[in-house]
Amino acid sequence: QVQLVESGGGVVQPGGSLRLSCIASGFTFSSYGMHWVRQAPGKGLEWVTFVRDDGINKYYADSVKGRFTISRDNSKNTLYVQMNSLRTEDTAVYYCAKGGISIDYWGQGTLVTVSS
Amino acid sequence: QSALTQPASVSGSPGQSITISCTGTSTDVGGSNFVSWYQQHPGKAPKLMIYDVSKRPSGVSNRFSGSKSGNTASLTISGLQAEDEADYYCSSYTSSSTWVFGGGTKLTVL
Repeated sequence: QVQLVESGGGVVQPGGSLRLSCIASGFTFSSYGMHWVRQAPGKGLEWVTFVRDDGINKYYADSVKGRFTISRDNSKNTLYVQMNSLRTEDTAVYYCAKGGISIDYWGQGTLVTVSS
Repeated sequence: QSALTQPASVSGSPGQSITISCTGTSTDVGGSNFVSWYQQHPGKAPKLMIYDVSKRPSGVSNRFSGSKSGNTASLTISGLQAEDEADYYCSSYTSSSTWVFGGGTKLTVL
């Protein structure tokens, strides 16, 4: 069965950096696009970024463009997002999600808290 | 990248049908065949219920159905059951090669 396990969340000060990871199993990772989607406490879902199966084409929400970088290592079945210049409004649970046009599986999420 | 518009809450009694709307623009819902719906129970990850406007993934009850007219997509749940109580989110692929979610709708089963 599809499993997506995120890690790397924690507390960071404004302006700081954090790298999240997502280890995938149960499917051919290199054949699927992957997303990061976040959810601020008590709020709705917000799409953050997407990378195609080959890792070349990447897309970002305006709110994170220039600060976040998505990447993947298909040899390790792992998805990453490097988050720089973090702001308090980036505080959220970050979900790793499988899918191209449609997201069909989600991880359980990792909490990122940006606070001084 | 403005969020799609959903009602904040809807409610219904067991056995009834409810419909949740999701309104966007011609650059997302209106111009896309890739509208999805997700169910999220408290403290849990979202679950895909409908994709490509009206397709149901394997394992999802046929009580869930999706449709679209113009810039508005809809999720209908028939024969409401207690376990349907959750938050529901729509999502659309956009003409800018990005994705946008709705603000979410809290479904209460009375």
